[in-house]
Amino acid sequence: GNSVTQMEGPVTLSEEAFLTINCTYTATGYPSLFWYVQYPGEGLQLLLKATKADDKGSNKGFEATYRKETTSFHLEKGSVQVSDSAVYFCALSSFGNEKLTFGTGTRLTIIP
Amino acid sequence: NAGVTQTPKFRILKIGQSMTLQCTQDMNHNYMYWYRQDPGMGLKLIYYSVGAGITDKGEVPNGYNVSRSTTEDFPLRLELAAPSQTSVYFCATRGATNQPQHFGDGTRLSIL
Repeated sequence: GNSVTQMEGPVTLSEEAFLTINCTYTATGYPSLFWYVQYPGEGLQLLLKATKADDKGSNKGFEATYRKETTSFHLEKGSVQVSDSAVYFCALSSFGNEKLTFGTGTRLTIIP
Repeated sequence: NAGVTQTPKFRILKIGQSMTLQCTQDMNHNYMYWYRQDPGMGLKLIYYSVGAGITDKGEVPNGYNVSRSTTEDFPLRLELAAPSQTSVYFCATRGATNQPQHFGDGTRLSIL
């Protein structure tokens, strides 16, 4: 079956630091990959997505590249801000599977 | 453009009471989902639906019921509320295969 393994948190960084949150997956076929963000007290919002190998998803300065050879979809940002403090979830969906498979989430805190 | 609307936003129940959490979408998506998120944890799938009249169990269906009489609405029913059902409940929808899910803002439920 499908599974997503996500970097354990919590992660604390200083403002303007470089961010990487690791995500690896196991899936049959060619899944679509997503990063969701959850700000305190809110629901999940789609941050970025990639639907095929070597695609790069990007949004709000965040990027992630779909690496089929390493089955990874790591989230990166070059310079984080306090407003990026949130919980980040990696997820995948595969053709013929109605459900989304989530990672456990990584809590990110950015300190000024 | 409302997207996914959940009501109520907050609710406190007594043990043994029942209630219905409402979820309505205006995106004409066939797929709808109910998740629960316990404090500091990831999401667990309760029930999902692939279209009007069709529902299926997720990971944690015990203590809950759903129905899907229309494309727009997917209510979640709690019978005989228990303290273990204290959680934040999220409804989500999805359009085509391998597209992202869209989440509502959640219902925060406490059972005392």
